[in-house]
Amino acid sequence: GESVGLHLPTLSVQEGDNSIINCAYSNSASDYFIWYKQESGKGPQFIIDIRSNMDKRQGQRVTVLLNKTVKHLSLQIAATQPGDSAVYFCAENRINNAGNMLTFGGGTRLMVKP
Amino acid sequence: EPEVTQTPSHQVTQMGQEVILRCVPISNHLYFYWYRQILGQKVEFLVSFYNNEISEKSEIFDDQFSVERPDGSNFTLKIRSTKLEDSAMYFCASSVQGGIEKLFFGSGTQLSVL
Repeated sequence: GESVGLHLPTLSVQEGDNSIINCAYSNSASDYFIWYKQESGKGPQFIIDIRSNMDKRQGQRVTVLLNKTVKHLSLQIAATQPGDSAVYFCAENRINNAGNMLTFGGGTRLMVKP
Repeated sequence: EPEVTQTPSHQVTQMGQEVILRCVPISNHLYFYWYRQILGQKVEFLVSFYNNEISEKSEIFDDQFSVERPDGSNFTLKIRSTKLEDSAMYFCASSVQGGIEKLFFGSGTQLSVL
């Protein structure tokens, strides 16, 4: 069935390096995508979102890239810090979905080495 | 920053017992949600709630589940007769509006069914 999924379950990076977390989606009806960060013992925390009419959006130290041709989403974290260590989820939605039902991917654990 | 609060943080129950998970959404939010995360798996949508009605629900949200906003501040999830497979982390979330509004998640209630 159609789903949102992640390429890599674990990503280990050196502090100060840039991190790239990838996500593939297969639901062509999806037109809104969100990245969430989940720290141990906490709920998902919104990081950044992007609509399908865009291919790039930047936030503070984070950038989301959307490639609709290959149904691929990525999260780039610049100058990764120990506080970035967490599980990152992509999620998809449809803009006309009144119920705000997010479909989450499987998650990638980011480990930042000092 | 305002937070969604959930109680209890941990709940242990016997199979077949009823449990009520409680949430206090952010005060000016109008839309409320329950999601769950079985250990090591994706975060899954259960139900969305607006204006004292269910807006959308997933296949997981069967007749054993119900939601209620008993007063002006609390939002509850009741599982009528718990099963072993109901063991999961249950997250409450809220948003100002529906559609693709940013969701704010609580820290979750870890439910263990024995």
